[in-house]
Amino acid sequence: EAQVTQNPRYLITVTGKKLTVTCSQNMNHEYMSWYRQDPGLGLRQIYYSMNVEVTDKGDVPEGYKVSRKEKRNFPLILESPSPNQTSLYFCASSYYGQPQHFGDGTRLSIL
Amino acid sequence: DAKTTQPPSMDCAEGRAANLPCNHSTISGNEYVYWYRQIHSQGPQYIIHGLKNNETNEMASLIITEDRKSSTLILPHATLRDTAVYYCIVRVGGSSNTGKLIFGQGTTLQVKP
Repeated sequence: EAQVTQNPRYLITVTGKKLTVTCSQNMNHEYMSWYRQDPGLGLRQIYYSMNVEVTDKGDVPEGYKVSRKEKRNFPLILESPSPNQTSLYFCASSYYGQPQHFGDGTRLSIL
Repeated sequence: DAKTTQPPSMDCAEGRAANLPCNHSTISGNEYVYWYRQIHSQGPQYIIHGLKNNETNEMASLIITEDRKSSTLILPHATLRDTAVYYCIVRVGGSSNTGKLIFGQGTTLQVKP
């Protein structure tokens, strides 16, 4: 089954403790992206990747890192999480220019 | 990417057609109209997209006006499971864009028994 898998689905952690949210897709898509969703602000793009070893900033990249060492994986790294990064996060993937497939989301709470 | 305007909410009776409008008066010739929906806090789900012509798939139909300044998403027989926030998004097609989808506030569709 074609899918985008995010882990963990839920995480409560504390300020400053490094964390990684993994994203994996099994559709051989070149394009992958991370969004965060906050009430009243909609979904905003954090980072995206057009292919392996090619990443670029979206609209809200501050405080985040990403890597794309393999085509299927696109982890989101929070080196020193802060409470303002408490949010619902979505990973998405697609072929170039095609509709995006989204994961089920990761709800992060940073205390 | 062009801005879109959607009504904040709509109701529909179960089994009836749901018609969701979207205005995109500043759309450019190379911009497509996409529709996604989000059920509760799940990941957005792609529904349908089109450039000029009307489109239909197993989920919905998309009607785009001749001047392309507005469109309507039609769910032919709405069910309770279609209750969701529906987003109309306009973006340039092709491989050169950043792929960014700009989700506005969308339309909250409530399907009622």
